[in-house]
Amino acid sequence: EVQLVESGEGLVQPGSSMKLSCVASGFTFSNYGMNWIRQAPKKGLEWIALIYYDSSSKYYADSVKGRFTISRDNSKNTLYLEMNSLRSEDTAMYYCAKYNNYGYFDYWGQGVMVTVSS
Amino acid sequence: DIVLTQSPALAVSLGQRATISCKTNQNVDYYGNSYMHWYQQKPGQQPKLLIYLASNLASGIPARFSGRGSGTDFTLTIDPVEADDTATYYCQQSRNLLTFGSGTKLEIK
Repeated sequence: EVQLVESGEGLVQPGSSMKLSCVASGFTFSNYGMNWIRQAPKKGLEWIALIYYDSSSKYYADSVKGRFTISRDNSKNTLYLEMNSLRSEDTAMYYCAKYNNYGYFDYWGQGVMVTVSS
Repeated sequence: DIVLTQSPALAVSLGQRATISCKTNQNVDYYGNSYMHWYQQKPGQQPKLLIYLASNLASGIPARFSGRGSGTDFTLTIDPVEADDTATYYCQQSRNLLTFGSGTKLEIK
């Protein structure tokens, strides 16, 4: 059974940094691209970052480019999202999602809440 | 950027057919595939994949769900709707980067 478990939830002040993790199991993690997708309260889904299976390519939404960094450790079956210069508009539920090469997300984690507020 | 447009809400009677539309501002077809996918998100839960590549049913999804379309016009159909189908439905394209529609909230009457 595929499982994706995010961690790192919390409340931080504007301008600060935070790192999220997502531990994967039930599939060969090193064979698949992975993504972070977020959802602001009462809003829709926003894709924010993709990393290829071997970290050879990374893509970001314009809203987070230059502030967020996606990375992975295939030896630990873990995906990361390092978030810097956080803003109130980054407040959202953050989901990690397994990527299929046709560009869809076939499994999602349960999400972690990030709140940016003073 | 490819923009996906969905109607905000839809109300359908129990046992009837629900048709949810998604229109894009650019063609999402490429080499015989339509790079359009559909998700269901129930309140308080993570999204779940329903349909991939416009018309392919994801694993474990009942045949009441179906998808069709090509180019810039796509639909997700639920027939017949059940009470448990109350959710927000999102389309997503992967032809050019990755973007979601704004979601359609389905109410079952």
